[in-house]
Amino acid sequence: KNEVEQSPQNLTAQEGEFITINCSYSVGISALHWLQQHPGGGIVSLFMLSSGKKKHGRLIATINIQEKHSSLHITASHPRDSAVYICEPGRTGNQFYFGTGTSLTVIP
Amino acid sequence: EPEVTQTPSHQVTQMGQEVILRCVPISNHLYFYWYRQILGQKVEFLVSFYNNEISEKSEIFDDQFSVERPDGSNFTLKIRSTKLEDSAMYFCASRDPGTARGYTFGSGTRLTVV
Repeated sequence: KNEVEQSPQNLTAQEGEFITINCSYSVGISALHWLQQHPGGGIVSLFMLSSGKKKHGRLIATINIQEKHSSLHITASHPRDSAVYICEPGRTGNQFYFGTGTSLTVIP
Repeated sequence: EPEVTQTPSHQVTQMGQEVILRCVPISNHLYFYWYRQILGQKVEFLVSFYNNEISEKSEIFDDQFSVERPDGSNFTLKIRSTKLEDSAMYFCASRDPGTARGYTFGSGTRLTVV
């Protein structure tokens, strides 16, 4: 049983497309994080949110606490957005759970 | 922009040896974390640290592991008696609860146990 489910697992898009990555979780949250892992392995935190919606540049993150679901949207996708996107719905007890990630490839 | 610094970037060690992975978190952050990622697998939480003590730890973080903040700036992860399965990328992160983005991650230490 996965506490955090991400979909799709893999995604290939044409440059300029609108992209949506979904995260459903069964664990309780303090605050949900969206992370970006670059092909070289480095991890960058994109968003931390506990309600509603946040926007940063071409990235938008939304969360529905009641439905235990969050989405990450990328508008006007670009090849440099190619990365693995990871959802982490925050602490449950003494544990933090991570999604397995969505591997995004944006083709020029 | 402030960074979390991890050293070394790559460590090779013999099975059974002890290793210390070092991290310098962002100075005004309050929460510190260690994670690991075995090659090809998802990121796993090891331990969080707040107010000079462990606040949460996972089942992975057993007696083989320990963390310290010896001097107020460094944050170290010690792995005793390393095993082959400890080979992974180890990430340190720090967090300021007031920021919009949450964590700042270091670039990781790749540990290879041979």
